Amino acid sequence: ELQVVESGGGLVQPGRSLRLSCTGPGVTFGDYVLSWVRQAPGKGLEWVGFIRDHGYGGTTEYAASVKGRFNISKDDSGSIAFLQMNGLTIEDTAVYYCSRSPGRYSGISLWGQGTLVTVSS
Amino acid sequence: FVLTQSPGTLSLSPGERATLSCRVSQSLSSSYLAWYQQKPGQAPRLLIYGASTRATGIPDRFSGSGSGTDFTLTITRLEPEDFAVYYCQQYGRSPWTFGQGTKVEIK
Repeated sequence: ELQVVESGGGLVQPGRSLRLSCTGPGVTFGDYVLSWVRQAPGKGLEWVGFIRDHGYGGTTEYAASVKGRFNISKDDSGSIAFLQMNGLTIEDTAVYYCSRSPGRYSGISLWGQGTLVTVSS
Repeated sequence: FVLTQSPGTLSLSPGERATLSCRVSQSLSSSYLAWYQQKPGQAPRLLIYGASTRATGIPDRFSGSGSGTDFTLTITRLEPEDFAVYYCQQYGRSPWTFGQGTKVEIK
């Protein structure tokens, strides 16, 4: 069974940066849509952004709440994905999930267990 | 696309039928509507994609239907493990959006 694991979460001060990573044995992202979804404590799911697969140019899209501050990327091998988060605010406190969609019509079928990011002074 | 789920909470007994609604603010191709189940402390799990296609390993008591702006997730006979929060999501156009969730709780 495929699994992905996020890492890099933790406590960070407002205004600082943090980079999350996502990887898993045998998992690649190059031919899939890789998205990040977050969930603030006690709240619902919020899509953060995604990076398209190679067939669609590997371009990115972001939620308005993070656009200009967050950046999603993959390494050249397509086996590690990243979420670079800059200018963090208290409102960015959440569990961040890395996830993968097998195709354009398929929904998000592979999820990590999530990593908690706490923004606090 | 704004997704509005109803009801917010559904109180039912095991064995009963659950009907969850997801209304979309503008017409959405059914190819791009998914349902997820989330239990406390766990990641979401894909149940339905393309509005009506069950994901791998999902029991047939879960079914999805709908088109345009109105979509439904039905659980025909609730099992104890089905009590959870359910989210609908559209992935047809950026930004992807989720509904606010429906909690199915034990009555």
